[in-house]
Amino acid sequence: DGGITQSPKYLFRKEGQNVTLSCEQNLNHDAMYWYRQDPGQGLRLIYYSQIVNDFQKGDIAEGYSVSREKKESFPLTVTSAQKNPTAFYLCASSTEAGRYNEQFFGPGTRLTVL
Amino acid sequence: GNSVTQMEGPVTLSEEAFLTINCTYTATGYPSLFWYVQYPGEGLQLLLKATKADDKGSNKGFEATYRKETTSFHLEKGSVQVSDSAVYFCALSDPNAGKSTFGDGTTLTVKP
Repeated sequence: DGGITQSPKYLFRKEGQNVTLSCEQNLNHDAMYWYRQDPGQGLRLIYYSQIVNDFQKGDIAEGYSVSREKKESFPLTVTSAQKNPTAFYLCASSTEAGRYNEQFFGPGTRLTVL
Repeated sequence: GNSVTQMEGPVTLSEEAFLTINCTYTATGYPSLFWYVQYPGEGLQLLLKATKADDKGSNKGFEATYRKETTSFHLEKGSVQVSDSAVYFCALSDPNAGKSTFGDGTTLTVKP
């Protein structure tokens, strides 16, 4: 079955540590996205990538980094510079960025900073 | 820039009641419009979409019509069920922007 996988589902880290969230898709989609969702809040775009080896900052990129070395993978690193990293992180993909296509979402990773 | 404004929640209804969740948008181009649904602890799933003015998207008893003249895409369902309890997001996809814009979400609770 085609889809998007995110791992792990729950992640705990100590303050001051970097952590990398995994996102893999086998839908052959060109575009991939990372969102942050806080309790009772909407989605805020962190980074997005329209093609391999290229990505753009979203609305809240500070304290985060990404890479897009392969079409199917778009890992997100939450660095120690992110002041309030505890949140639910969602990865998504679409056939083309910004075209008339829906986004397909992964199940999310809940990050808790202890 | 683009923006999506949704009716504030939470919304609480009894089973079999009529549902409307309002959504209006601002966009510079000609966007596609979407409704997504999120169940607790999960990612978002596409519920329905419309790609041009006057299109009606429908799925699982939910409907929404793309109204360009009022820049709206209100979600409706004639008779809600307990299983419809979730958070609903209105969104637009604008090819000129290269990304999508989401509303803040509306939480729906349906009581038996």
